[in-house]
Amino acid sequence: KAGVTQTPRYLIKTRGQQVTLSCSPISGHRSVSWYQQTPGQGLQFLFEYFSETQRNKGNFPGRFSGRQFSNSRSEMNVSTLELGDSALYLCASTRTGELFFGEGSRLTVL
Amino acid sequence: AQSVSQHNHHVILSEAASLELGCNYSYGGTVNLFWYVQYPGQHLQLLLKYFSGDPLVKGIKGFEAEFIKSKFSFNLRKPSVQWSDTAEYFCAVIFLSGYSTLTFGKGTMLLVSP
Repeated sequence: KAGVTQTPRYLIKTRGQQVTLSCSPISGHRSVSWYQQTPGQGLQFLFEYFSETQRNKGNFPGRFSGRQFSNSRSEMNVSTLELGDSALYLCASTRTGELFFGEGSRLTVL
Repeated sequence: AQSVSQHNHHVILSEAASLELGCNYSYGGTVNLFWYVQYPGQHLQLLLKYFSGDPLVKGIKGFEAEFIKSKFSFNLRKPSVQWSDTAEYFCAVIFLSGYSTLTFGKGTMLLVSP
């Protein structure tokens, strides 16, 4: 079966812009989590959605937001981009506690 | 705060050497434990997991890990590494209190020289 699909894979933005990233989970998975991966901080949890509801949120500013649709697909949005937002954004889906990760969206902020 | 620590940020080994990567977590309650691997340019993949039962867990590609509850540890081992094991390894923990999320260690970059 298809894995977790993230789009776009690569994108370049400038400071002050906003960005929307998309994640399609594995079929049947209703929980989607987002992580930010950077060389210095490793993998940091952003938020988790289950059945269109945000169930958990990490310690990120309000510029980071997300949502989940009725088909379990999820989007995350970052507004007013800063240089420090440059990172690999990973989405993961789960049904039984084991997370399956997508290949990520690599965001570069100039 | 609940946290996961990986002691080695970089490890360099020769092929056929034995590997042990340390992982400790700070939480006295029930946990689910994972090791993930990220090969260069690829997505995170699950190596092995521990939910309950036998504390010695065997995963893919010859990896194993031992859960020692008294030491809050879940160290990853492999008796003989190969060049293809070059990757970044992440320990991750779900702290089972309410709705819990997966908390990662900062990762260990393993370089295996042929």
